[in-house]
Amino acid sequence: GAVVSQHPSWVICKSGTSVKIECRSLDFQATTMFWYRQFPKQSLMLMATSNEGSKATYEQGVEKDKFLINHASLTLSTLTVTSAHPEDSSFYICSARDLKELHTDTQYFGPGTRLTVL
Amino acid sequence: QKEVEQNSGPLSVPEGAIASLNCTYSDRVSQSFFWYRQYSGKSPELIMSIYSNGDKEDGRFTAQLNKASQYVSLLIRDSQPSDSATYLCAVNIGSSNTGKLIFGQGTTLQVKP
Repeated sequence: GAVVSQHPSWVICKSGTSVKIECRSLDFQATTMFWYRQFPKQSLMLMATSNEGSKATYEQGVEKDKFLINHASLTLSTLTVTSAHPEDSSFYICSARDLKELHTDTQYFGPGTRLTVL
Repeated sequence: QKEVEQNSGPLSVPEGAIASLNCTYSDRVSQSFFWYRQYSGKSPELIMSIYSNGDKEDGRFTAQLNKASQYVSLLIRDSQPSDSATYLCAVNIGSSNTGKLIFGQGTTLQVKP
């Protein structure tokens, strides 16, 4: 149980284009999903909290107009990197909280999406 | 600034030995503590969670929590080469109910055959 998928697993795009990453909870419902970014040899940095049916909450220093988040259902959140540039190249990982486990803070992670911007 | 501190390592232990990984946190009101394992190029996977002071055992893994000292540790018994990975300590932000976690920088464990 508690499986989270991400698509695509990797993507290469040209500078200036937009890339959409999907995060799905496969066997549970998630009112809250989180988006992280991880650069090589560094830890996970939380970018934003995605809440079903409402606007995402962004961490300080994260541009909400550049990283568009949509959480339209209890099993799907999307992150769109708009006008991507080489410095956006990173490992993007989502996580989800099981609706039935909100009394804990457990997060289940997706496999990640490796974005390379040329 | 709420922080979670870990020694980045690498921590090197021989196969079969006990590996001890440590973590300290700054937010006194934190209530939820997690250990995740991350293999190179992969996303984190949950190993254990702990919420109460004391020890919690699951197979070869034991998590230890001391809230008074703001310290949480992970012991891995009978370490195997497959345990070689980066271990991330995560702590909830105690003053909020958003479920947000703060991650330490991770400790790299190397288990030598």
